[in-house]
Amino acid sequence: GQNIDQPTEMTATEGAIVQINCTYQTSGFNGLFWYQQHAGEAPTFLSYNVLDGLEEKGRFSSFLSRSKGYSYLLLKELQMKDSASYLCAVMDSNYQLIWGAGTKLIIKP
Amino acid sequence: DADVTQTPRNRITKTGKRIMLECSQTKGHDRMYWYRQDPGLGLRLIYYSFDVKDINKGEISDGYSVSRQAQAKFSLSLESAIPNQTALYFCATSESRDANIQYFGAGTRLSVL
Repeated sequence: GQNIDQPTEMTATEGAIVQINCTYQTSGFNGLFWYQQHAGEAPTFLSYNVLDGLEEKGRFSSFLSRSKGYSYLLLKELQMKDSASYLCAVMDSNYQLIWGAGTKLIIKP
Repeated sequence: DADVTQTPRNRITKTGKRIMLECSQTKGHDRMYWYRQDPGLGLRLIYYSFDVKDINKGEISDGYSVSRQAQAKFSLSLESAIPNQTALYFCATSESRDANIQYFGAGTRLSVL
């Protein structure tokens, strides 16, 4: 079967750095996505990786290793508004998105 | 104005009732999707449509039906609602197959009593 694993919840301090991991087992791979979802709101796109390596976008970076079935989202200079759930999703061989359950990130002052 | 609009935003209904959730988009995308989200679970795909004449079942289509009335409109129906269909429902759109960045509506919170 297809599976996306990410931690259920993480806590970090304002101004610090946090890394949210995602491991996946899917039938084929056509890219990995990270979305941010504030409580009760719609998911919004953060990043897309299809090749191995690091993609940097401001305070957020996303890394992919296809051979290890592994990705992480790195958030720097954490702000209170970064408190949200972060969803990892993989596009499989049928170009369908398989979603992880999300990691709830709690930022403390 | 929102690019992907869902109505209603909240709905409470009773077991056995028929209910329709509507989604419209101004992004000009051909691809539209319906998901449900439950606590502790990932988004699960109910139905998707790549154009007006193309409708496909997703992972959890039982108990649901859809209608793609136009490129911009995609409706989800629960023919006879049951309590375990209580969930947060999202509509999404995407432009193409390859990049497949999906843009979500604000969601419909549905409670079936």
